[in-house]
Amino acid sequence: DQQVKQNSPSLSVQEGRISILNCDYTNSMFDYFLWYKKYPAEGPTFLISISSIKDKNEDGRFTVFLNKSAKHLSLHIVPSQPGDSAVYFCAAKYNTDKLIFGTGTRLQVFP
Amino acid sequence: DTGVSQDPRHKITKRGQNVTFRCDPISEHNRLYWYRQTLGQGPEFLTYFQNEAQLEKSRLLSDRFSAERPKGSFSTLEIQRTEQGDSAMYLCASSRSGQGDTDTQYFGPGTRLTVL
Repeated sequence: DQQVKQNSPSLSVQEGRISILNCDYTNSMFDYFLWYKKYPAEGPTFLISISSIKDKNEDGRFTVFLNKSAKHLSLHIVPSQPGDSAVYFCAAKYNTDKLIFGTGTRLQVFP
Repeated sequence: DTGVSQDPRHKITKRGQNVTFRCDPISEHNRLYWYRQTLGQGPEFLTYFQNEAQLEKSRLLSDRFSAERPKGSFSTLEIQRTEQGDSAMYLCASSRSGQGDTDTQYFGPGTRLTVL
């Protein structure tokens, strides 16, 4: 039972353009969502989060959008840089601190 | 802020052996989590502690797995009688409770276990 889904295993974007990573969830009880970035042989690095009471949160080049009615969130990276090439995980939680992760999307930013 | 550290980074063992991993959280963080990640999957929750109390355990945590956090600081995760299916990256994370939505979990580099 995959409660958090990232249906695109990979995404390739040109440097300077926008990267849009998508995430869908099934559990309407989730009230907090996070995005992590992971490089090979390293642990996930926290990027940005959003509470279910908001529909947008920005931090520099990163913006997360939440559509509760569609149970969908997305991460926008503008402009994309080669150093953004990594695997991106969305995660969700409710009540407890246990994070439920998606399967990840591998982003490649090419020159 | 030295971040979350884990030791060892890599462990190769033979089936049936016991292994123990250590996690040192960020110093002011009172919550500590263990996750497991296999190839092509996201991290899966195993267990977490608030101070020295183990508050939740996943059904993934069979009786061969045990975790401790005896003094509310570092934690150990032991796997007894390892099986090939235990091969994975074991991730530790920590957070500071009481910050509401901002109880962000920060991850260590992980311990990669290979069971032969």
